[in-house]
Amino acid sequence: AQSVSQHNHHVILSEAASLELGCNYSYGGTVNLFWYVQYPGQHLQLLLKYFSGDPLVKGIKGFEAEFIKSKFSFNLRKPSVQWSDTAEYFCAVANRDDKIIFGKGTRLHILP
Amino acid sequence: TAGITQAPTSQILAAGRSMTLRCTQDMRHNAMYWYRQDLGLGLRLIHYSNTAGTTGKGEVPDGYSVSRANTDDFPLTLASAVPSQTSVYFCASSAAGGSYNEQFFGPGTRLTVL
Repeated sequence: AQSVSQHNHHVILSEAASLELGCNYSYGGTVNLFWYVQYPGQHLQLLLKYFSGDPLVKGIKGFEAEFIKSKFSFNLRKPSVQWSDTAEYFCAVANRDDKIIFGKGTRLHILP
Repeated sequence: TAGITQAPTSQILAAGRSMTLRCTQDMRHNAMYWYRQDLGLGLRLIHYSNTAGTTGKGEVPDGYSVSRANTDDFPLTLASAVPSQTSVYFCASSAAGGSYNEQFFGPGTRLTVL
């Protein structure tokens, strides 16, 4: 069965710091990859997604993620975080014929 | 556009009581989903429906039931609530089932079972 692992449960950064959130998955076939974000008190919304093509994908609000097939990874990055990026971030993975499996989430707290 | 609405926003329920969480979408999406979100466990799929008239079990279906009588509505029923069902419940929808489609989430229902 496929699974998703997010390495950091809680990350604290200062504004303008660079961000990288790790995500690894276990599935040997072709996958679709997602990052969702949940701002405090709000519902989940899509940040970015990868289906095929360029493994470096750009999302909203300056986020990007890189799919590295050999490492089964899809890490989320942002060069300079803002206080408004405080949220919980979920990596999600699905094979082409199955439902999406979410990771356990990473809580990001940005200090002003 | 409302997107997905859920009701109630929050509820406190006595153990053993039944309850139905409501979910309605106005995007004419074929697929709908119910997740529960628990601290440290992320989102776990309870039930799903790829199209009206069909439903399927997710990762944690025990103690829950769903129905999909039409495209727009996907209620989740707890027949006899237990404290372990205390959670935040999110309904989601996507244009079609399968993993190519972005899921859109509702605002959630916070349920406490005492």
